[in-house]
Amino acid sequence: GAVVSQHPSWVICKSGTSVKIECRSLDFQATTMFWYRQFPKQSLMLMATSNEGSKATYEQGVEKDKFLINHASLTLSTLTVTSAHPEDSSFYICSATEGGQSTEAFFGQGTRLTVV
Amino acid sequence: AQKITQTQPGMFVQEKEAVTLDCTYDTSDPSYGLFWYKQPSSGEMIFLIYQGSYDQQNATEGRYSLNFQKARKSANLVISASQLGDSAMYFCAMRGLNYGGATNKLIFGTGTLLAVQP
Repeated sequence: GAVVSQHPSWVICKSGTSVKIECRSLDFQATTMFWYRQFPKQSLMLMATSNEGSKATYEQGVEKDKFLINHASLTLSTLTVTSAHPEDSSFYICSATEGGQSTEAFFGQGTRLTVV
Repeated sequence: AQKITQTQPGMFVQEKEAVTLDCTYDTSDPSYGLFWYKQPSSGEMIFLIYQGSYDQQNATEGRYSLNFQKARKSANLVISASQLGDSAMYFCAMRGLNYGGATNKLIFGTGTLLAVQP
């Protein structure tokens, strides 16, 4: 299957700082990328859908000014958690699809964010 | 609106036995796809099996098979000959399929934690 690389795997930051997470499709062009958040022992909650070259579509209840998503190329999407707080600590995972009739979503390895 | 329901928060199974993980769904999309993913403690999402809503036969992938009952809106995962390495969280997911080119979002159930006992 196709490879999606997510970086970093884990990060610790201080309250009030910003953290950027990258999601790259290594061997295919990802027209659409999805960003999920997962709390311990819970399901993946979709945060936003990111289409290359356009603004991300955020799910209800997700603050777009806090979670900035950029999808500047067909192989890279970034999620920036701005002014991070301890309650933002979570597991963030991206997935990417080729679009069209492609049915499968390929996932990155996830990023564990801890805000102290 | 789409909804995925997994009613089993946790399951135990003896090694080498088969186990069924339940999944029901609700959607207004005429065409959709159903997925099962495995998430071990390391966190990565491992794709297991896919079933299209118009597929005539139930999907199978090695020890994994999907018991798809469209009228009941259920897509249960069957794991045969369980192995210790199968212990993980299992998620059922669904997306609408728009063959006009749009990519619809993948929605997940709450997951079932499977523990395989020796």
